[in-house]
Amino acid sequence: DVKVTQSSRYLVKRTGEKVFLECVQDMDHENMFWYRQDPGLGLRLIYFSYDVKMKEKGDIPEGYSVSREKKERFSLILESASTNQTSMYLCAIPSGTGGIGGYTFGSGTRLTVV
Amino acid sequence: GENVEQHPSTLSVQEGDSAVIKCTYSDSASNYFPWYKQELGKRPQLIIDIRSNVGEKKDQRIAVTLNKTAKHFSLHITETQPEDSAVYFCAADRDDKIIFGKGTRLHILP
Repeated sequence: DVKVTQSSRYLVKRTGEKVFLECVQDMDHENMFWYRQDPGLGLRLIYFSYDVKMKEKGDIPEGYSVSREKKERFSLILESASTNQTSMYLCAIPSGTGGIGGYTFGSGTRLTVV
Repeated sequence: GENVEQHPSTLSVQEGDSAVIKCTYSDSASNYFPWYKQELGKRPQLIIDIRSNVGEKKDQRIAVTLNKTAKHFSLHITETQPEDSAVYFCAADRDDKIIFGKGTRLHILP
């Protein structure tokens, strides 16, 4: 069974803090993705990575960065948290190969910035 | 880039009736279309998917149809049950990524 683990289920941070969201996968997959989910806006792609040390911007990268030092771990970084980054953050990896099988998601981190 | 539009945003159907959710996409190069179900407080789960070389796919009470010419695809749920209440997302692939619609909240009325 594919496992995608997000270290925190709930986080509360103050405006201006640097925030790290961690995602770990056990499938040795090259590709990892970070999405944020907001009511009425669906899931929007923030950043993704095709391999260690590689990163690509998604559709809404502003205010975020990422780190992929090891294949199994993909970190999302909020350099200076703001209230408009209050959201549910979901990490995902491909479930299958060759583009078949969609994604497996982590359980999500609900971040509140106060 | 790919844009996925999903309608309606909210849908209420009587238990036992059918529900249909419709999506359109913009990138003619897309060829993989998954559907996800997200129950309250849980992560999205893949429920069915379809590739562009197929026009229809069925899995028990759930079916998806794809019209590649019109860039439309739809999710059909028949004989709806209370456990079908959830948010449903359509999606399309774009350059090895998946782009999601905004979601449809489905309510099954008793």
